[in-house]
Amino acid sequence: DAGVTQSPTHLIKTRGQQVTLRCSPKSGHDTVSWYQQALGQGPQFIFQYYEEEERQRGNFPDRFSGHQFPNYSSELNVNALLLGDSALYLCASSLSGLTDTQYFGPGTRLTVL
Amino acid sequence: RKEVEQDPGPFNVPEGATVAFNCTYSNSASQSFFWYRQDCRKEPKLLMSVYSSGNEDGRFTAQLNRASQYISLLIRDSKLSDSATYLCVVGGYTSGTYKYIFGTGTRLKVLA
Repeated sequence: DAGVTQSPTHLIKTRGQQVTLRCSPKSGHDTVSWYQQALGQGPQFIFQYYEEEERQRGNFPDRFSGHQFPNYSSELNVNALLLGDSALYLCASSLSGLTDTQYFGPGTRLTVL
Repeated sequence: RKEVEQDPGPFNVPEGATVAFNCTYSNSASQSFFWYRQDCRKEPKLLMSVYSSGNEDGRFTAQLNRASQYISLLIRDSKLSDSATYLCVVGGYTSGTYKYIFGTGTRLKVLA
């Protein structure tokens, strides 16, 4: 039973660039949530995708966008990167209910120089 | 006031000790509660959900107090392998959006 997978594991970009991170949910899950975790902080909710649409969104600017594909996998795009975007980006998958337990992937560590 | 607050620690305890963490939350309409464990530079892993009636899983016991808006985690007979950061997670609606709010985590170090 495959768990949540994310790619790439590490990424280095420069300010102003754009980045795309990818996530495949746990087998049987149809909902993907994205989180940003800065060093020493808890994960911060970015948004959640269900049925290929953004269902919920946290307090992140429009530079953060996403997509969900028919196979439930998802992408997180960040435009015009800032130094402060350096963080661990976590993808979590769950079943369709809003209160369902979320299972996290290993994350993508993004460094912006 | 933060939506979910935890004592960051670290809590340094000897092997075999009992340790308890508390977490308070501000949204009285919160609906779901969890404890996650996060090892250094790894992803959070679900430790246990927290129910109003309290629940136990081996050496771990979680409690929810809705009236006082806090949840707790008790670890008995601590092992070296319990050393990690423990994240309190609260789910509920905020401004029409249902989301999970994570605390900053409490670091536990179990010493030999």
